[in-house]
Amino acid sequence: QVQLVQSGAQVKKPGSSVMVSCKASGDIFNTYAISWVRQAPGQGLEWMGGIIPTFGSANYAQKFRDRVTITADESTSTAYMELSSLRSEDTAMYYCAAEHITETTVGWFDPWGQGTLVTVSS
Amino acid sequence: DIVMTQSPDSLAVSLGERATINCKSSQSVLYSSNNKNYLAWYQQKPGQPPKLLIYWASTRESGVPDRFSGSGSGADFTLTISSLQAEDVAVYFCQQYYYTPTFGQGTKVEVK
Repeated sequence: QVQLVQSGAQVKKPGSSVMVSCKASGDIFNTYAISWVRQAPGQGLEWMGGIIPTFGSANYAQKFRDRVTITADESTSTAYMELSSLRSEDTAMYYCAAEHITETTVGWFDPWGQGTLVTVSS
Repeated sequence: DIVMTQSPDSLAVSLGERATINCKSSQSVLYSSNNKNYLAWYQQKPGQPPKLLIYWASTRESGVPDRFSGSGSGADFTLTISSLQAEDVAVYFCQQYYYTPTFGQGTKVEVK
């Protein structure tokens, strides 16, 4: 059974960085891309970026391009998302998700990790 | 970016009745070379991550009840719950994967 398990909740100071991990079981790393999607309290879903672990290079949403780094360690089937220069507006639930690779592009997200709450507060 | 706009923002439906959610994209997400619509639907219950319901606009994910159906093409899509059950109370999102993934703002479905 494919499954994504994320690291625990974190509280960070403004201006600092946060790293969230996402460990995959099953054959996810050989079959899917891994993306990161965030959801601010009571808000919608926002794609931040993703990586195809077997290729190693990541793509980022324009909004986060200068602050986010997504990596993947194939040896441990773990993906990481680091977000720097944190501000209060970055307080959100951060999800990793397996992104299905279609014949033309990446596609839909399934499964999702359980989410990691990142709180940015002084 | 492709902007996804859902309507309504919320709706209340009696148990056993039909619920219809609309999703409009700012440009077509129909890929002409394979005639597929690059659109997915998700269900999110409180305190849970989103759950995939439908991809390719109308293909139901394995295990999803057949009361959920997706339709539409190009830039206009619909998610229909044919007979609302209590467990269907949730927020529903559409998502395009034609370009950089973007989501609709969500539609909250409640029981009337």
